[in-house]
Amino acid sequence: ETGVTQTPRHLVMGMTNKKSLKCEQHLGHNAMYWYKQSAKKPLELMFVYNFKEQTENNSVPSRFSPECPNSSHLFLHLHTLQPEDSALYLCASSHGSDRFPNTEAFFGQGTRLTVV
Amino acid sequence: GQNIDQPTEMTATEGAIVQINCTYQTSGFNGLFWYQQHAGEAPTFLSYNVLDGLEEKGRFSSFLSRSKGYSYLLLKELQMKDSASYLCAASDSNYQLIWGAGTKLIIKP
Repeated sequence: ETGVTQTPRHLVMGMTNKKSLKCEQHLGHNAMYWYKQSAKKPLELMFVYNFKEQTENNSVPSRFSPECPNSSHLFLHLHTLQPEDSALYLCASSHGSDRFPNTEAFFGQGTRLTVV
Repeated sequence: GQNIDQPTEMTATEGAIVQINCTYQTSGFNGLFWYQQHAGEAPTFLSYNVLDGLEEKGRFSSFLSRSKGYSYLLLKELQMKDSASYLCAASDSNYQLIWGAGTKLIIKP
């Protein structure tokens, strides 16, 4: 248990569905992140929120829409996804500002997403 | 461009020592992280190096050479539970983490 909780752990969705991933942390961190992890590929940073403000959007397609209602919760809304979006989606949090300035990140266990 | 290289997979024997290498090329440098990720679980922080040299933490040690753009993670007295993927990540001038694809370590009895 890392202090970062993600739900659901597994999700199968059709290309026309709309679903949301949820992340929650009660570590008192100010920064939260969404990462995509595909097999045998480096972690891909998708979005960064610092004090609830989005500070990073790494050219992520608009079919992924993040939401950060408060510093403890982060959502990733999904719609009209493609099969190549199937991956493990990891949420992380840290003390830092908009990056990881010498502070470690705490990761959730991820949501295994399969798009059919 | 920015890049991290680490071996895809390594195999070692229980009780032995293994060294996982990582080379990096980044625009500026603000330190190097190692994370451990067991299958189906969250990555967990192992170490952070920003100065040259060896940092020891129990059975795990991490080394950094900034001039060579090189780091390694050394695992001693290997245990079966050390079977996992080990992720190397370098922090660039903007403190953005550049991640390697991870090294899958297989421990055999």
